[in-house]
Amino acid sequence: DIQMTQSPSSLSASVGDRVTITCRASQGISNYLAWYQQKPGKVPKLLIYAASTLQSGVPSRFSGSGSGTDFTLTISSLQPEDVASYYCQTSWTFGQGTKVEIK
Amino acid sequence: EVQLLESGGGLVQPGGSLRLSCAASGFTFSSYAMSWVRQAPGKGLEWVSAISGRGGSTYYADSVKGRFTISRDNSKNTLYLQMNSLRAEDTAVYYCAKEVRYGGNSVQYFDYWGQGTLVTVSS
Repeated sequence: DIQMTQSPSSLSASVGDRVTITCRASQGISNYLAWYQQKPGKVPKLLIYAASTLQSGVPSRFSGSGSGTDFTLTISSLQPEDVASYYCQTSWTFGQGTKVEIK
Repeated sequence: EVQLLESGGGLVQPGGSLRLSCAASGFTFSSYAMSWVRQAPGKGLEWVSAISGRGGSTYYADSVKGRFTISRDNSKNTLYLQMNSLRAEDTAVYYCAKEVRYGGNSVQYFDYWGQGTLVTVSS
């Protein structure tokens, strides 16, 4: 089974900062990776699929990159409404999540 | 507008059973595979089970194989999860999620999620 490892598990950054979350697959998965955002007490929301394709309606400050085993989710300018946990996913496997907070 | 509405959660004793339902609307239900994904309190997301659009293929996480059964009724646009022999570690919010297959139909992502239904297994 494919394992997905995210880092860091949590981070704290200031409003306006550039934030990067990484996800590593235990074997090559081409670009078959999605990212989800889950705000506190809310339902997960699809942000990005196929590693870099932004889901409709998602702000352009979110971007994704990577292929093979190493992937990145970037928030170009962190906003207060971005406080959430972020999960990567391929096939039926999710990463363990990264909690993003405001400093 | 796509809507997924789960129901059937509640408190059940260890060893008991529960049946979850997910009523779908706003898309051609039979054209899409569907999944159940759960989230234990304070924990991350865990995929539980999936079923193909016509219902002919089903898939399970090792943690629930042999205890849970996924099914669907395309005439009612409804997804089900029959949960038997429940354990304390099955306590979680259960989400139904609509799949989008890509990569030659070999992988998927989840583009819509229901609001979730809480299952608590406790004596």
